[in-house]
Amino acid sequence: GQQVQQSPASLVLQEGENAELQCNFSTSLNSMQWFYQRPGGSLVSLFYNPSGTKQSGRLTSTTVIKERRSSLHISSSQTTDSGTYLCAMREGTGSKLSFGKGAKLTVSP
Amino acid sequence: EAAVTQSPRNKVAVTGGKVTLSCNQTNNHNNMYWYRQDTGHGLRLIHYSYGAGSTEKGDIPDGYKASRPSQENFSLILELATPSQTSVYFCASGPTFSYEQYFGPGTRLTVL
Repeated sequence: GQQVQQSPASLVLQEGENAELQCNFSTSLNSMQWFYQRPGGSLVSLFYNPSGTKQSGRLTSTTVIKERRSSLHISSSQTTDSGTYLCAMREGTGSKLSFGKGAKLTVSP
Repeated sequence: EAAVTQSPRNKVAVTGGKVTLSCNQTNNHNNMYWYRQDTGHGLRLIHYSYGAGSTEKGDIPDGYKASRPSQENFSLILELATPSQTSVYFCASGPTFSYEQYFGPGTRLTVL
């Protein structure tokens, strides 16, 4: 079954607002990774975050293994942030990823 | 920059026909993966490979075969395509024992 629960499924913001995306996982976790998918496009990795907090520009990822959750915070959203954000978890030492269903973000001007 | 290419980018097939999706990577990565993406399901792993000559079943392998004839190439084969296999297919490659995966641009497959 689905080991990664992602929420919300979709989010609509006005430019300048902040976004908070969540992933919860039901099994033991090795690491969590966040991807961005532009509309109709491929996936690019945003963060590899096994635990703790990482920041890159306006994006911040926080993973709390004990609570089995990871979040992605986007501050001061821009229209170019629109797209789908996916989290993915790795179990054990393998390289296989289990993806959440994705969160579609739409940022209006 | 990691480079993963897929061909074709778009494909229309008939039910019962054979479809081969190709993936090529120039990164010398040992690991390669095939996923499908459907609305409401996210990305799901179909097959993967740890190197030339090896293929492993992923989470949803039924109806699909994979072939890894070389380090660079990884194919996904639908012997008898069905409409339920209409989807967007992504190939990815990554180094051994690494979290990194680099994705191709995707192939949109429609089975009529």
